[in-house]
Amino acid sequence: TQLLEQSPQFLSIQEGENLTVYCNSSSVFSSLQWYRQEPGEGPVLLVTVVTGGEVKKLKRLTFQFGDARKDSSLHITAAQPGDTGLYLCAGALSQAGTALIFGKGTTLSVSS
Amino acid sequence: EPEVTQTPSHQVTQMGQEVILRCVPISNHLYFYWYRQILGQKVEFLVSFYNNEISEKSEIFDDQFSVERPDGSNFTLKIRSTKLEDSAMYFCASRRLAGVYFTDTQYFGPGTRLTVL
Repeated sequence: TQLLEQSPQFLSIQEGENLTVYCNSSSVFSSLQWYRQEPGEGPVLLVTVVTGGEVKKLKRLTFQFGDARKDSSLHITAAQPGDTGLYLCAGALSQAGTALIFGKGTTLSVSS
Repeated sequence: EPEVTQTPSHQVTQMGQEVILRCVPISNHLYFYWYRQILGQKVEFLVSFYNNEISEKSEIFDDQFSVERPDGSNFTLKIRSTKLEDSAMYFCASRRLAGVYFTDTQYFGPGTRLTVL
């Protein structure tokens, strides 16, 4: 069974703090995607990482794909209340069009 | 920016009834997916579809489920005889072809909330 373990499950911080969300698996992924999901809506893509060791930045968000392509992290610098939401990681086991395997998500709450 | 659209946004049905959930994938995308998310649980893969046939399906996608691309724009998920446990958010996703390779990124629609009574 391929599993994608995401941690922490819940995170409550103050505005201005930094945080990191982790996504780990024993499986090797051809790519890993990070999504953000609002209640009652579909996942909205933040980034796709493909190459082992790859780092991508999206404003205050930094995404890293592990060298072995088994893990990834999302780091948010100086969190703002607008960052509040559910963050999902999802991995693809191959490029051949297979399903995404999702983590359970990290619910982030940033208070001002 | 092109988006995946889904209708209806909310469907309420009686147990045992048939439902059809509709999706319009992004226009130049060729690979299509259905996922579901039971309340409070993670997103789960149901089925993928390419070149007018099912490419892969999960254990959840049993004989009660079917998919179809009836025309050049729509992609549907049919549940023949709904059960209480089919209540969930159903998401359609699509993926484009870049050159001779697919990109990995899947783009999701806003979902249909299915409630089975």
